[in-house]
Amino acid sequence: ILNVEQSPQSLHVQEGDSTNFTCSFPSSNFYALHWYRWETAKSPEALFVMTLNGDEKKKGRISATLNTKEGYSYLYIKGSQPEDSATYLCASPLYNQGGKLIFGQGTELSVKP
Amino acid sequence: DSGVTQTPKHLITATGQRVTLRCSPRSGDLSVYWYQQSLDQGLQFLIQYYNGEERAKGNILERFSAQQFPDLHSELNLSSLELGDSALYFCASSVGADPATDTQYFGPGTRLTVL
Repeated sequence: ILNVEQSPQSLHVQEGDSTNFTCSFPSSNFYALHWYRWETAKSPEALFVMTLNGDEKKKGRISATLNTKEGYSYLYIKGSQPEDSATYLCASPLYNQGGKLIFGQGTELSVKP
Repeated sequence: DSGVTQTPKHLITATGQRVTLRCSPRSGDLSVYWYQQSLDQGLQFLIQYYNGEERAKGNILERFSAQQFPDLHSELNLSSLELGDSALYFCASSVGADPATDTQYFGPGTRLTVL
């Protein structure tokens, strides 16, 4: 993987469902992985910054895990609510990019009441 | 509200013109980052300033320039505008100088439309 990739591109779930999506990044020369939540007509909001293999972070019903050896991170939302509807972005500084963040295209989550 | 402010919120201008976008970071943050979000493109990093000095550069066009002033606010100057420059421009700020591990706080963005 030469870039930061996210899947799926979009996800539609019912209120109360738990869901998860994936961020893939180059596993060599890993430095950090960021997750952002971006609601329509607002600005991206930082969720987590993760640096250690096996790291797990939690914020309310949202949690994230990190596997730097295989180059992926999962974001989980437990018991989705309509207010969780947003685009979830991950970003990682790629090797030889001077630390600047490279963003994935995002996963657009829609939670129906 | 992240504490990062950007002005103006919207800007409509013509091709060939020059515009200035302004950003004030959160109180205490020394780094300012500029990003561009175009249609069908992810967030693209343009440039970072830390405490008044340019720190990192992305694929910023030569027609674009930025600076950070002593009061830490930053301006992004876009000149000889083309239709393709129409985009949402975000400013973000962080406490430290390392964009890899510092949490970045995003402003509300400036939507630029070039006609």
